[in-house]
Amino acid sequence: GESVGLHLPTLSVQEGDNSIINCAYSNSASDYFIWYKQESGKGPQFIIDIRSNMDKRQGQRVTVLLNKTVKHLSLQIAATQPGDSAVYFCAESNDYKLSFGAGTTVTVRA
Amino acid sequence: DTGVSQDPRHKITKRGQNVTFRCDPISEHNRLYWYRQTLGQGPEFLTYFQNEAQLEKSRLLSDRFSAERPKGSFSTLEIQRTEQGDSAMYLCASSRASGRGSYNEQFFGPGTRLTVL
Repeated sequence: GESVGLHLPTLSVQEGDNSIINCAYSNSASDYFIWYKQESGKGPQFIIDIRSNMDKRQGQRVTVLLNKTVKHLSLQIAATQPGDSAVYFCAESNDYKLSFGAGTTVTVRA
Repeated sequence: DTGVSQDPRHKITKRGQNVTFRCDPISEHNRLYWYRQTLGQGPEFLTYFQNEAQLEKSRLLSDRFSAERPKGSFSTLEIQRTEQGDSAMYLCASSRASGRGSYNEQFFGPGTRLTVL
């Protein structure tokens, strides 16, 4: 079946550096792609989404890039902070359903 | 706190017992979703409601699982004759309705962690 997945299961980042988290997807028909953050013991928290007809979208300290040619999605976090330590999931949306990948665990080093 | 609450937060039960979980969505949201998440994996879609109507069920939702949303507000997820493979985090989310071509954010609750012994 079609799925959304992440390239790396873990990422260690020095505090203050920029983080880049990658995701490959296979369903070209998805309307939206979304990044969620999940901290230990909590449910996923929405970070940012991008519509399938866009290439880039910026939020507060985060940027999502969508490359439809190679079916690649990335999340860039500027000036990574200790509070950014969490598991990050990319997901694709088709009307009601979110399909998640396996996640990347980001650890921020002091 | 997203505004979506789930109860209980943790449940330990013995194999063969029935369990029921509750989800209270954000009050103005007419869509409610259930997901299951196992350790190290992303959430997997189980089912969703628009108001009180259950509109989609995943193949993951076996006959032992049943979900209801009787008045279009809170929802319950019941698992009958639990098995050890049912051990997971059960997540509830809610959103406004969205048509194709638009995305309305799904807000997730904290989840109910089920352990079947």
